[in-house]
Amino acid sequence: QSVLTQPPSVSGAPGQRVTISCTGSSSNIGAGYDVNWYQQLPGTAPKLLIYGSSNRPSGVPDRFSGSKSGTSASLAITGLQAEDEADYYCQSYDSSLSVPFGTGTKVTVL
Amino acid sequence: QVQLQESGPGLVKPSETLSLTCIVSGGSISSYYWSWIRQPPGKGLEWIGNIYYSGSTKYNNYNPSLKSRVTISVDTSKNQISLKLSSVTAADTAMYYCAKENSYGATNWFDPWGQGTPVTVSS
Repeated sequence: QSVLTQPPSVSGAPGQRVTISCTGSSSNIGAGYDVNWYQQLPGTAPKLLIYGSSNRPSGVPDRFSGSKSGTSASLAITGLQAEDEADYYCQSYDSSLSVPFGTGTKVTVL
Repeated sequence: QVQLQESGPGLVKPSETLSLTCIVSGGSISSYYWSWIRQPPGKGLEWIGNIYYSGSTKYNNYNPSLKSRVTISVDTSKNQISLKLSSVTAADTAMYYCAKENSYGATNWFDPWGQGTPVTVSS
């Protein structure tokens, strides 16, 4: 099982703000390793959304933002749009020399 | 712009060895880490391992839970990365992705990803 825990699902109406948490431990996020976030649209490969906990690659809308504190990280989506309906995964590094992904969160736009 | 394309047999028998390749185009595979990641149907992502190659230097890192069964190698003449997973079972049924690994400071991230290749383990 993954060492990074996310809520199975979050939902919101168009235009609203939703947040997704990613809870780790002292061997990964709490050890100072940054968190990255990926968006996976149905039937497609994951796409990088946030790297280094809070940096957006070029082309990613500024509606997406990331933060990290202690042993947890968060992804926020503001101004929720229908096209944001997807699965979202966090990812970090662990001192066990592995690269864990989060359990994944399905975002539903109501 | 780097692009990755995975390929391999879609069906593998239990106890046999799964072999996949990932062709990298638009850039050299040297001096970067390249990872394999898999996703069972309807489930989350699992990092399998990675390889770094530059000149005569080669490093491998593997997920401890798969380390005894995994080999990741590189063929610079073909600009491709390969994955071998031995003694497969139904639990190894998944979409397999290759991805370029980027790093800066206290983080490493995967971008870009290939489109993935599905593998089913069944007799």
